Amino acid sequence: KQEVTQIPAALSVPEGENLVLNCSFTDSAIYNLQWFRQDPGKGLTSLLLIQSSQREQTSGRLNASLDKSSGRSTLYIAASQPGDSATYLCAVSQGGKLIFGQGTELSVKP
Amino acid sequence: NAGVTQTPKFQVLKTGQSMTLQCAQDMNHEYMSWYRQDPGMGLRLIHYSVGAGITDQGEVPNGYNVSRSTTEDFPLRLLSAAPSQTSVYFCASSPRDRRQETQYFGPGTRLLVL
Repeated sequence: KQEVTQIPAALSVPEGENLVLNCSFTDSAIYNLQWFRQDPGKGLTSLLLIQSSQREQTSGRLNASLDKSSGRSTLYIAASQPGDSATYLCAVSQGGKLIFGQGTELSVKP
Repeated sequence: NAGVTQTPKFQVLKTGQSMTLQCAQDMNHEYMSWYRQDPGMGLRLIHYSVGAGITDQGEVPNGYNVSRSTTEDFPLRLLSAAPSQTSVYFCASSPRDRRQETQYFGPGTRLLVL
């Protein structure tokens, strides 16, 4: 059974800092891995999708990497801003189904 | 494009009542699914569908029914609501192409069962 773990559960950083969020999964037979952002009381917004054959994806200040063999992904956020404060979720895709981690709650202090 | 829409946004039910959560998408996506989100449990898959007329159970299907008569709609039915079904429910859709399986989520329905 696929299990997805995110570390840390919560993170507080000062504005401007670069940071890394971690995601690990137990079964490497995935189609892709997605990173989502969720603001309090809101739905999920897709940030990045890494296909199983890819190693990384970039969008603006965000960079996500994928190492299928070790079952790990990282989300790198450069020059963090208070507007980045949210919960970040990673999820692996297996046949149209997503298996989620429990998220990392990020707080960026001005 | 409205994307994925869900109604209602918020609902209060009494134990034993039934209701249907509506989900619709206008992107012609084949895959649709329902998740519930609970504190400390993350998002868990309830039911999913790979196309019209085809549904299957996810991780936590008990107490819920689904059907998929059209590509656009995927309603979730609570047969007899219980307090344990208090949660936030999200509907999602994605294209059939596994290489493009970006999942698009609706805004959620907050359900309180008293």
